[in-house]
Formats: sequence, C-alpha cells, structure tokens
Amino acid sequence: AQSVTQLDSHVSVSEGTPVLLRCNYSSSYSPSLFWYVQHPNKGLQLLLKYTSAATLVKGINGFEAEFKKSETSFHLTKPSAHMSDAAEYFCVVILISSGSARQLTFGSGTQLTVLP
Amino acid sequence: DSGVTQTPKHLITATGQRVTLRCSPRSGDLSVYWYQQSLDQGLQFLIHYYNGEERAKGNILERFSAQQFPDLHSELNLSSLELGDSALYFCASSGGLAGSTDTQYFGPGTRLTVL
Repeated sequence: AQSVTQLDSHVSVSEGTPVLLRCNYSSSYSPSLFWYVQHPNKGLQLLLKYTSAATLVKGINGFEAEFKKSETSFHLTKPSAHMSDAAEYFCVVILISSGSARQLTFGSGTQLTVLP
Repeated sequence: DSGVTQTPKHLITATGQRVTLRCSPRSGDLSVYWYQQSLDQGLQFLIHYYNGEERAKGNILERFSAQQFPDLHSELNLSSLELGDSALYFCASSGGLAGSTDTQYFGPGTRLTVL
C-alpha cells in the first residue's frame, strides 16, 4: 500500500534562508507524488508533481522537489524563503485502488513558519 | 482560483441534523473527489465519482453519502450529524481516468460546524 511520511510537523526558517520540507514515501510500484500547499483558511493548491518524467521537479513560487528512489524520498526545497511561504505543506501519493479509481493519500502536513 | 466551486462556504448546524454540501468541478472534468480535513484525523479521502459512477470509497461513514449528477456536479450528504463531524470538507476534480497522473484541483472547502 502507498503511504507518505512527513518527517517534520513544524519547520521554522528566517526570511531569505533555504527551506527543506522532508517527505518519505512507501509504494509497491513507481508512485505519482505531489506537494500541495494550504494557506490559512484556504483550499489546497498544487505546488508540483512527480510523474516519472524527470527526477527533479520544478513547481510554482520557486519550489522544487527531487525524487530519490534509492532513499524513497521526495523532499521539497526552496533556495530562499519569503514571508508569503508561511503555510502548511502536504506531501501526497496517489493510490490507484482499481483500474479507474484514484485517491490521494496525504501526509500529516508540515507547518512552515517564516521569521522576519 | 482552481475552477472548482463549493457551496456553502460555512455551515453551522446542530447534532442529529442533515446537511448537503455541493461541488461543481472544473469545466470538462469528469472525476469528483471528496475529502475531510479535521484536526485529529488530518486530510482523509472520502469518495471518488467518475462520470456519475462511484469509483472508490475511503473512510466514509455510513451516515454519509454522495452522488454525482448528469451535469457532473456532486453533492455530499451528511446525516445524523455528530460533534465529531465538524471539519473542513473539500471537493476536488480531475480530468478523468487517463493514466495514473491525474492532478486533482481543490475547491475552497466547506467548513461545517456541528453544535
């Protein structure tokens, strides 16, 4: 069965410093992986997705993630944090429960705080 | 703006009552998904519909049901409400069944408060 583990429930960085949000996955086959962001009282917005085309995936707002099969990881990074990046981030794997059924399995989330 | 709409934004009701949450997918999307987000359970998948047919069920209670109509909008019905049903309910849509990489686009959610 597919699952994701977000290794940090809270991450705090200073504005202008790098961001690293860690995610490990478990999957019996090559997974499709996503990062979503949720700002306070807002819906979920797709940051980026991995679909086996390239191991380094670039997303919106300067975020990127690298798929590492040997480490079963899909960590999210950004070179320089901005105050507007403060939000909750979810690592997600897609589960195919039958030929046509799909569901997202969410990690527990990482709350990112950006300090001035 | 994802193109997925949900109504109402907020809903306050009492225990034992029944409510209906509505979702309109992005234009052209055939799949609709429902998720529940609560403080203690996190984000959980409830149910997936594709072109009017139920395709997958997650952690959906028997008191909850959903349907997708011919115009592709979907409704989630919650009955015999309990305090623990208070949560944010999200709807998402995607293009369909083409491959395993369908991106799901989320609506803004309906915040349900059961008093």
